[in-house]
Amino acid sequence: GENVEQHPSTLSVQEGDSAVIKCTYSDSASNYFPWYKQELGKGPQLIIDIRSNVGEKKDQRIAVTLNKTAKHFSLHITETQPEDSAVYFCAANSNDMRFGAGTRLTVKP
Amino acid sequence: DTGVSQDPRHKITKRGQNVTFRCDPISEHNRLYWYRQTLGQGPEFLTYFQNEAQLEKSRLLSDRFSAERPKGSFSTLEIQRTEQGDSAMYLCASSLMGTGLSYEQYFGPGTRLTVT
Repeated sequence: GENVEQHPSTLSVQEGDSAVIKCTYSDSASNYFPWYKQELGKGPQLIIDIRSNVGEKKDQRIAVTLNKTAKHFSLHITETQPEDSAVYFCAANSNDMRFGAGTRLTVKP
Repeated sequence: DTGVSQDPRHKITKRGQNVTFRCDPISEHNRLYWYRQTLGQGPEFLTYFQNEAQLEKSRLLSDRFSAERPKGSFSTLEIQRTEQGDSAMYLCASSLMGTGLSYEQYFGPGTRLTVT
């Protein structure tokens, strides 16, 4: 089955800096890669996703890149703000959705 | 607010008791998923329904767990004879699967279960 690894587990940046979170997956049949943001006491919120026929996707300050050959994908957040502080999860979908263990992002004002 | 609702939000129960959780998906979504999330981990897939049919169950879903979606709308997840290891956040998500192959899953706020 699919195995998703996510790094780093914690990330601390200064407000205005960029943050990058990386994930690798094992199942070459995976074709959909979403990213979720989870705040304390809430369910995961879909923030961006990418499909296997696309290499990069951008939505305002958030971008995701996918390298299918290397089986890795990354989340890039630019101009970070304190409200970006949360736990971020990557996921890969083949037969079912498998999630990484999460990255706790802290943006210091 | 994604439109997926779950009830209750919190449940404290004694070991050995049965508990039931409810999920109401986004109204036009035909797929409904259940996940379990423990502290410091990502959600783990348990099972999913397409309309009223339960199409896949994870090996994490022991015999004490049962899920239903009788009319293809809301779903219930029951845990019988709860154990302390069942303490977790139970998340529900829904998606619309059609000819466009939309995979986006939208999560509810979760039900936090504590077994004492």
